[in-house]
Amino acid sequence: DSGVTQTPKHLITATGQRVTLRCSPRSGDLSVYWYQQSLDQGLQFLIQYYNGEERAKGNILERFSAQQFPDLHSELNLSSLELGDSALYFCASSDRTGGNSPLHFGNGTRLTVT
Amino acid sequence: AQKITQTQPGMFVQEKEAVTLDCTYDTSDPSYGLFWYKQPSSGEMIFLIYQGSYDQQNATEGRYSLNFQKARKSANLVISASQLGDSAMYFCAMREGPKTSYDKVIFGPGTSLSVIP
Repeated sequence: DSGVTQTPKHLITATGQRVTLRCSPRSGDLSVYWYQQSLDQGLQFLIQYYNGEERAKGNILERFSAQQFPDLHSELNLSSLELGDSALYFCASSDRTGGNSPLHFGNGTRLTVT
Repeated sequence: AQKITQTQPGMFVQEKEAVTLDCTYDTSDPSYGLFWYKQPSSGEMIFLIYQGSYDQQNATEGRYSLNFQKARKSANLVISASQLGDSAMYFCAMREGPKTSYDKVIFGPGTSLSVIP
């Protein structure tokens, strides 16, 4: 058990809808990362937060947004969903940025857009 | 820009044999770190080993070792004495830094390893 909790585990929704994925990092970890894993795109970095502030941005679509709250949990909001958004979404946390501190991953949220 | 290449989409290895999974990277930052992760069919991402760009020795962690060749920008994972439970996807990842707060960790496309009994 990595200590990172993601909910829900599975999500099935229709095109055009909006969903929210939730992540609770390991106790004490200040940094949260979001990744999208699809079959044809591999593990794509979306965004990183550190202690409540956005710090690094990757290939995140404008339809997607995220935030990290004062209690350090994070949410990833996906709107105007398309079939191509179907993927496994991972949250990871780290106790700090940089150096040899590994990312600890949650078990992911499997999103299916129909 | 950061980039990770894993040229072996799929690999097979006989049980108890050693196997090397390739990873090459590209960065202009002299300070960086390299990670290897394992993803079994159950889906979770498991951290295996870390190598820093200034580390003098190759990293080792149990049956995992990292063959780090800085000049060639390669960081190959060596798994010794393969076990059936090693069958999984393996991802190489890179972090540039250190940076106090900016932390974009990117992953390669992965290599699927199958261990044959």
